[in-house]
Amino acid sequence: GAVVSQHPSRVICKSGTSVKIECRSLDFQATTMFWYRQFPKQSLMLMATSNEGSKATYEQGVEKDKFLINHASLTLSTLTVTSAHPEDSSFYICSGLSGGIQETQYFGPGTRLLVL
Amino acid sequence: QKEVEQDPGPLSVPEGAIVSLNCTYSNSAFQYFMWYRQYSRKGPELLMYTYSSGNKEDGRFTAQVDKSSKYISLFIRDSQPSDSATYLCAMSSLLTGGGNKLTFGTGTQLKVEL
Repeated sequence: GAVVSQHPSRVICKSGTSVKIECRSLDFQATTMFWYRQFPKQSLMLMATSNEGSKATYEQGVEKDKFLINHASLTLSTLTVTSAHPEDSSFYICSGLSGGIQETQYFGPGTRLLVL
Repeated sequence: QKEVEQDPGPLSVPEGAIVSLNCTYSNSAFQYFMWYRQYSRKGPELLMYTYSSGNKEDGRFTAQVDKSSKYISLFIRDSQPSDSATYLCAMSSLLTGGGNKLTFGTGTQLKVEL
């Protein structure tokens, strides 16, 4: 299946700093990528849909100025958590949408963010 | 009412058992159905992708879709300890273009014991 990587896998930062998370599709081109967050023992909550070369579409309740998304190429999307606070601590997962007949999402391994 | 309902478990079974995992949904527009497996602190891994009603088999896994009842299932035969994970059902509609914008169940935590 298609492979998606994320970097870093884990990050600890101080409150008020910004953190950038990279999502790469390694063996396919993803015109669309998605960003999710997942709290312990809960399901994935979609934050935003990122299309290459255009502005991301954010889900209701997600602050676009706080969670900056850039999808500069067909294989790279970044999520920047600006002025992070402890309540932003979570597991952030990206996915890339594959093409073909059975278009579906392939997920990265996730990034665990801890804001102190 | 949530669009997708899934029993969170935990579900504990002995090694070798047949496991049945289920989701119900309320949105009749859902046409594409997926099962993902997620190990602790990892991203979800696609296991099965189905479109039509009926059964689809892949190795020890069988996905079943009953659109008339709005009910989907994942069966795991000869379960192994390595199958211990959280299983998430996900679905999407033609309106959102197939694999776009998935709606997930809460996930069922499965533990297969020796």
